[in-house]
Amino acid sequence: DAGVIQSPRHEVTEMGQEVTLRCKPISGHDYLFWYRQTMMRGLELLIYFNNNVPIDDSGMPEDRFSAKMPNASFSTLKIQPSEPRDSAVYFCASSFFTGSNSPLHFGNGTRLTVT
Amino acid sequence: GDSVTQMEGPVTLSEEAFLTINCTYTATGYPSLFWYVQYPGEGLQLLLKATKADDKGSNKGFEATYRKETTSFHLEKGSVQVSDSAVYFCALISRAGGTSYGKLTFGQGTILTVHP
Repeated sequence: DAGVIQSPRHEVTEMGQEVTLRCKPISGHDYLFWYRQTMMRGLELLIYFNNNVPIDDSGMPEDRFSAKMPNASFSTLKIQPSEPRDSAVYFCASSFFTGSNSPLHFGNGTRLTVT
Repeated sequence: GDSVTQMEGPVTLSEEAFLTINCTYTATGYPSLFWYVQYPGEGLQLLLKATKADDKGSNKGFEATYRKETTSFHLEKGSVQVSDSAVYFCALISRAGGTSYGKLTFGQGTILTVHP
């Protein structure tokens, strides 16, 4: 099991540019989550999918953020245009289902720096 | 809404010291409780969990007991090692009527540093 794979590990971009973060969940997992981690806010859930369908996107901060899951093995989180306050570590996580016996499996994150 | 409150960090200990990281929660329904650990440069990993009152979760020498009466899930370890240095997150999934709401709610995290 390769675990949840995120790319890139690090991304440095200038304000105003488009940023795309990628995630490959664990095969067979039917839930996928995008989290953002900052020192000020801790871990924030941005959006999650079940069977490729967005279930709750109430954590997406603004219209500049969008997420897609075109198939069971791939998801993207896009920021357009990016701003310095978007600098954070973005984690993708997956699980088989969200019951109490199903922990989330996290990727190693993408550290985004917007200058 | 659901919330998790952890003790403020950072926590700094010497090797072989006793560790307690406090965690209290408020939740709709009857939550399941978790501790996750994050090592430098990595994502979060499940450390232990408990799904009903008085359950004790344990792993790698860490323990936590689900206390419904005090709405707490404190993490303990009898003798910490340098390799335990990490960030620890308390979390819950709220359930009602047997249905999970599907979202983990995390505490703010507690940084633990263990010195030799």
